[in-house]
Amino acid sequence: GAGVSQTPSNKVTEKGKYVELRCDPISGHTALYWYRQSLGQGPEFLIYFQGTGAADDSGLPNDRFFAVRPEGSVSTLKIQRTERGDSAVYLCASSLFRGNEQYFGPGTRLTVT
Amino acid sequence: AQTVTQSQPEMSVQEAETVTLSCTYDTSESNYYLFWYKQPPSRQMILVIRQEAYKQQNATENRFSVNFQKAAKSFSLKISDSQLGDTAMYFCAFMKLEGAQKLVFGQGTRLTINP
Repeated sequence: GAGVSQTPSNKVTEKGKYVELRCDPISGHTALYWYRQSLGQGPEFLIYFQGTGAADDSGLPNDRFFAVRPEGSVSTLKIQRTERGDSAVYLCASSLFRGNEQYFGPGTRLTVT
Repeated sequence: AQTVTQSQPEMSVQEAETVTLSCTYDTSESNYYLFWYKQPPSRQMILVIRQEAYKQQNATENRFSVNFQKAAKSFSLKISDSQLGDTAMYFCAFMKLEGAQKLVFGQGTRLTINP
């Protein structure tokens, strides 16, 4: 079956612009996670959804970052007033339910110029 | 807070050799999971092996096995009969059983298998 997909694969934007990153989880997976991976580092947790609600957003770095999952499937990570420090690979993962194996997407590489 | 440390930024071995990647972690939890993930240049994280902390027996998956030392908080990955396709970044990760069950990753080890 289809895995986790993320679009776009790469995104280049100018400092100060708004961007949206999309994640399509595996069908039927209730848990969805966003991670951020800076160059040469391991991924860092951003936010966790169980169904439609954000159950844990403790990893969001500041209020410029926001994520939604309105129908409990697709999720969108939104970044306002982008800064060069936001440049990273943004990874999405889903699992059948909390505690199961997390399946990762290929990530979106965001570059802020 | 939990931390995961991988002290080997890079490793390189010849094809068919055995290689061991190191990982230590710090936690006050008694029940948790530990993982090794592989990340090839395609960026997609792939689960290699998983260990439940309550299990004393070390997990194995074909050529991959772990040495889990709970008291020492050590979790190393051994790759036997290494293959060119094993070339990738390898990340050790920790997950506690309560709350969001988010993964906490180490910094990674870049493994190169040479022909």
